[in-house]
Amino acid sequence: AQSVTQPDIHITVSEGASLELRCNYSYGATPYLFWYVQSPGQGLQLLLKYFSGDTLVQGIKGFEAEFKRSQSSFNLRKPSVHWSDAAEYFCAVAPYLYNTDKLIFGTGTRLQVFP
Amino acid sequence: DAGVTQSPTHLIKTRGQQVTLRCSPKSGHDTVSWYQQALGQGPQFIFQYYEEEERQRGNFPDRFSGHQFPNYSSELNVNALLLGDSALYLCASSLWGTANSPLHFGNGTRLTVT
Repeated sequence: AQSVTQPDIHITVSEGASLELRCNYSYGATPYLFWYVQSPGQGLQLLLKYFSGDTLVQGIKGFEAEFKRSQSSFNLRKPSVHWSDAAEYFCAVAPYLYNTDKLIFGTGTRLQVFP
Repeated sequence: DAGVTQSPTHLIKTRGQQVTLRCSPKSGHDTVSWYQQALGQGPQFIFQYYEEEERQRGNFPDRFSGHQFPNYSSELNVNALLLGDSALYLCASSLWGTANSPLHFGNGTRLTVT
């Protein structure tokens, strides 16, 4: 069965530091992969997605992610974190390529940013 | 451009009761999906509605049912509430048939079952 694993439950970084959030997936074919962010009391906002092509994907708010098939990973990165990036981050995979509304989410990584 | 709106924002119910949650999709969208997000967990897919029919369903019991109206808005109904149904319920909308169209999520309805 398809699944998504986010190994880090909670990460703390200083403002201005670089960030990498890990995501590993289990999926038989080429996956559709997503990163969402959820601020407290808010819904989820799409940061970026990977469907095919270039394995380095650029998203909003200065985030990027790299798809590595050999490692079954889709890690999210940002070179310099801002205090407003503090939120919950979710990695997700779409198990059905013909209907990407059904997503399987990881358990999330909570990012805390210190000034 | 109105995004996805959900009502109510918070709800408290007693075990055994029934609840109805409502969702209006983003302008221009015709497909609505519902997700359940338990505390400390990622969202889990409940079902998806398009053209007033359930198109996909996740691993949820029949106590969870839904409806989509001609104006594309949707309701999620949960019968015989259990304590474990306490969660944030998220509605998301999209445009049917466009795989590259991302899901737009509402801010959710926080349901507490006591």
